[in-house]
Amino acid sequence: DSGVTQTPKHLITATGQRVTLRCSPRSGDLSVYWYQQSLDQGLQFLIQYYNGEERAKGNILERFSAQQFPDLHSELNLSSLELGDSALYFCASTEAGGPVGELFFGEGSRLTVL
Amino acid sequence: AQSVAQPEDQVNVAEGNPLTVKCTYSVSGNPYLFWYVQYPNRGLQFLLKYITGDNLVKGSYGFEAEFNKSQTSFHLKKPSALVSDSALYFCAVRDPVTGGGNKLTFGTGTQLKVEL
Repeated sequence: DSGVTQTPKHLITATGQRVTLRCSPRSGDLSVYWYQQSLDQGLQFLIQYYNGEERAKGNILERFSAQQFPDLHSELNLSSLELGDSALYFCASTEAGGPVGELFFGEGSRLTVL
Repeated sequence: AQSVAQPEDQVNVAEGNPLTVKCTYSVSGNPYLFWYVQYPNRGLQFLLKYITGDNLVKGSYGFEAEFNKSQTSFHLKKPSALVSDSALYFCAVRDPVTGGGNKLTFGTGTQLKVEL
């Protein structure tokens, strides 16, 4: 158990809909990272937050947005969903000043868009 | 841009035999390289990393990796494979510190299958 909690574990929805994925980082971790894992794109970095502020942005679509709240949990919002958005979405966290590159991943939220 | 390549989609090895999972990198500056493992229906787990120092780094579960600067490689190795090592392995590189923190770029992954 990594200590990172993601909900929901599975989500099935229709094209055009909007969903919210939630991540609770390990206790005390200030940084949260979102990754998308799909068969055709592999593991893609989406966005990073540090203590409530956006720190880095990757290949995140404009239809997607994220935020980190004062209690450090994070949400990834996916809107106007398309079939190609079907993927496993991972959240990871690290502590400030912790070992370089050692991310703790949640078990992911599997999104299926029909 | 930083990148890593994993040339093999799948590696098959018999239990008890040594295993190697290959990774090559392309970075500007000093590379920070990592290996992660993903078991079915689980998140990724950190295995080991190379930051600086000894070219042979040791990690969890008996895995080690050899950093080779001249060949720009960071191959994952284990002297004696176990069936329980069967999983998806990812090589990764950390992007430059400029605002990226611990942002990692992952390879496409190599499925390791260890058979009896």
